[in-house]
Amino acid sequence: DQQVKQNSPSLSVQEGRISILNCDYTNSMFDYFLWYKKYPAEGPTFLISISSIKDKNEDGRFTVFLNKSAKHLSLHIVPSQPGDSAVYFCAASAYGSSNTGKLIFGQGTTLQVKP
Amino acid sequence: EPEVTQTPSHQVTQMGQEVILRCVPISNHLYFYWYRQILGQKVEFLVSFYNNEISEKSEIFDDQFSVERPDGSNFTLKIRSTKLEDSAMYFCASSEWARYSNQPQHFGDGTRLSIL
Repeated sequence: DQQVKQNSPSLSVQEGRISILNCDYTNSMFDYFLWYKKYPAEGPTFLISISSIKDKNEDGRFTVFLNKSAKHLSLHIVPSQPGDSAVYFCAASAYGSSNTGKLIFGQGTTLQVKP
Repeated sequence: EPEVTQTPSHQVTQMGQEVILRCVPISNHLYFYWYRQILGQKVEFLVSFYNNEISEKSEIFDDQFSVERPDGSNFTLKIRSTKLEDSAMYFCASSEWARYSNQPQHFGDGTRLSIL
């Protein structure tokens, strides 16, 4: 099941710089997208989401961009901090008559922010 | 901040035995989910539960699996006869409302299930 793909398994950035994590999807029925952060031995923590009626959503240092025509979304973290070092998951959901909120996850990208 | 809690954090069980994983979702949430993550693989959807019934289940969720909300607070996942390939991290999640509205799911810290 490759409906949601994160092609970069890892990313390393310097503290204070921008981190850009990318996600691609194939299912055109997806209309709600989320980013989760995961530390070892913890569950995914919700970061930010965006619905398909928008192309940008911002929350503090985190901004998610959605390009529906390219079926691509990205998460920008500015400025990056060492505490941001974690695995980041992109997830998507398709809302419709049979909506149950089921999330389809990408493989995750491990972000390392160096001091 | 309200959170989803899962117990136990680690469960070791002999193959063929029954196991029950427990979750306490966030109190005002109405949708409940189980996901699993086999080591090195993606987080996979297992089942969603609303209004005391399963609303959707994946192909993984076969007859060996069942879910229950035995009271107003707990949500359980039972595996009747465990197999080696059931070894995984199991995550419970809940959301405030899903149908016709976009609401994020909030996850517990998971139960690591090890089948011997």
